[in-house]
Amino acid sequence: GAVVSQHPSWVICKSGTSVKIECRSLDFQATTMFWYRQFPKQSLMLMATSNEGSKATYEQGVEKDKFLINHASLTLSTLTVTSAHPEDSSFYICSARDLASGRALDEQFFGPGTRLTVL
Amino acid sequence: AQTVTQSQPEMSVQEAETVTLSCTYDTSESDYYLFWYKQPPSRQMILVIRQEAYKQQNATENRFSVNFQKAAKSFSLKISDSQLGDAAMYFCASTREGNTDKLIFGTGTRLQVFP
Repeated sequence: GAVVSQHPSWVICKSGTSVKIECRSLDFQATTMFWYRQFPKQSLMLMATSNEGSKATYEQGVEKDKFLINHASLTLSTLTVTSAHPEDSSFYICSARDLASGRALDEQFFGPGTRLTVL
Repeated sequence: AQTVTQSQPEMSVQEAETVTLSCTYDTSESDYYLFWYKQPPSRQMILVIRQEAYKQQNATENRFSVNFQKAAKSFSLKISDSQLGDAAMYFCASTREGNTDKLIFGTGTRLQVFP
């Protein structure tokens, strides 16, 4: 159980276009999802926290108008990179928490990540 | 800013041997959680082990165990009987001060396992 998927697994786009990444909890309901960014050979940096039915909360330094997050259902959160530029190229990872299962409140389940390359 | 430090960018171990990965952290909280995550070449983050700070007993999961030294803010991971499949990036993480929803990750240690 506790499987999180991401789609697409990789995407290449032209500079100036927008890209949408989906994060789904497959076998549980996720009231909270998190979006991370990982540069090559670096750690995961939290970008934003996505709460079902409410606005996302962004970490300091993350442009909310550039990285649009929508958590419209208990199993789906989307991250849209708007007007992407080469510096947005990175590995984007989502994670989700399952509050209903009785698992530890702090445990996050991670998706497999999406590699974004902006040309 | 709150930090998690992994001072070993790379480590290597012979198959069947034991290796210890180091992690130190800082926090002003008395109750928090610590984690070790494994990231294999597939990039899928996998939880290896977790420790609740209010528990004095070191967590253990099969071949993986931790040495949690709360006063020293140290949280090392010991891998016993290393296997080729243990080769990966290992990230130490701590819950954030004031918000246990969020995690702060260390910079990672790349573990190589030699046959």
